[in-house]
Amino acid sequence: DTAVSQTPKYLVTQMGNDKSIKCEQNLGHDTMYWYKQDSKKFLKIMFSYNNKELIINETVPNRFSPKSPDKAHLNLHINSLELGDSAVYFCASSPGQPNEKLFFGSGTQLSVL
Amino acid sequence: AQSVSQHNHHVILSEAASLELGCNYSYGGTVNLFWYVQYPGQHLQLLLKYFSGDPLVKGIKGFEAEFIKSKFSFNLRKPSVQWSDTAEYFCAVTPNGYNKLIFGAGTRLAVHP
Repeated sequence: DTAVSQTPKYLVTQMGNDKSIKCEQNLGHDTMYWYKQDSKKFLKIMFSYNNKELIINETVPNRFSPKSPDKAHLNLHINSLELGDSAVYFCASSPGQPNEKLFFGSGTQLSVL
Repeated sequence: AQSVSQHNHHVILSEAASLELGCNYSYGGTVNLFWYVQYPGQHLQLLLKYFSGDPLVKGIKGFEAEFIKSKFSFNLRKPSVQWSDTAEYFCAVTPNGYNKLIFGAGTRLAVHP
């Protein structure tokens, strides 16, 4: 059983489109995250939710909107996609605070053409 | 700016060679420290972590790391690498009072048979 699952694994789309990435965790964790990994493998946090409430919102364009319908799900919706949005997006979860172990999903490789 | 630095971006070793990957951070006070590994095509996994106590921490697959507070360092070591250790290695820090995990830029390790 996959602990943190993301869909889709690959996403290829045109500039200007709107797309969503879904994330679900079956670990019963309270906190979920979205990280962006650029072409140089640098990982940067985008958002964090704790029990469906937004607790971290880094300097991410407002074209990116996370949505947490329940504490097991944290979806990422991206409007008006740009070339620079091409990256691998990782969902993660942790029992509580991030100073505990993070469990990562397998990533979604987004390519904007 | 406060950060997590991994000085070696790309390391190439032969099997059985010893490994040491550097990690330095610039946050003061108490920190929690982590090393994550990303094998090719896979998600990030926790190798080891340090919260408190013995500054020499042992992780999975024969890896260990030493926290040296005076040097703000948390270097990763393995006495004898294997081809299967080929991966990207990320140092990460949760500074005191922060509720997010901050990653270094990663070190790509290639082990040749």
